[in-house]
Amino acid sequence: AQSVTQPDIHITVSEGASLELRCNYSYGATPYLFWYVQSPGQGLQLLLKYFSGDTLVQGIKGFEAEFKRSQSSFNLRKPSVHWSDAAEYFCAVGIPTGGGNKLTFGTGTQLKVEL
Amino acid sequence: DTGVSQDPRHKITKRGQNVTFRCDPISEHNRLYWYRQTLGQGPEFLTYFQNEAQLEKSRLLSDRFSAERPKGSFSTLEIQRTEQGDSAMYLCASSPKQETQYFGPGTRLLVL
Repeated sequence: AQSVTQPDIHITVSEGASLELRCNYSYGATPYLFWYVQSPGQGLQLLLKYFSGDTLVQGIKGFEAEFKRSQSSFNLRKPSVHWSDAAEYFCAVGIPTGGGNKLTFGTGTQLKVEL
Repeated sequence: DTGVSQDPRHKITKRGQNVTFRCDPISEHNRLYWYRQTLGQGPEFLTYFQNEAQLEKSRLLSDRFSAERPKGSFSTLEIQRTEQGDSAMYLCASSPKQETQYFGPGTRLLVL
């Protein structure tokens, strides 16, 4: 069965520092991969997605992620974190189903930004 | 683009009562999904519609849960005889194609 692991439950970084959030997945075929961000009490906003092609994908708010098939990883990075980036980040793998795509999420990484 | 909307945003109910949530997807999105998110966890898939057809249901969706999308536009999720374990955020998402889902703000349910 497919699964997503986000090994870091909490991460704290200083504003302006670089950020990397880890994500490992387990899935038998080439996956659809996503990163979403969730602010407290809110829904999820899509940051970026990987379907195929270039393994380095760019997203909104200056985020990027790199798909590494050999490591089954899809880590999220940002070169300089802003205080407004504090939120919870979810990695997800998409499993095709009946013309749709059901998402399996990791447990999330809570990001705290110190000023 | 008005985004995915969900109503109500918050619901408090007593154990044993029935509740119904509504989701309005982005117009012309023919795919609609429901997820449930409990505290400290990622969302979990509940069910999926393409137009009015419910094409997949998770085993998480017990007999007390029912979802409909009668005209292929808005969808409702009903929980009968609520239990305290049903307390969660219920999220709706829609997509125009297979790949990318856009989420609504969610309905937070508290069962007392």
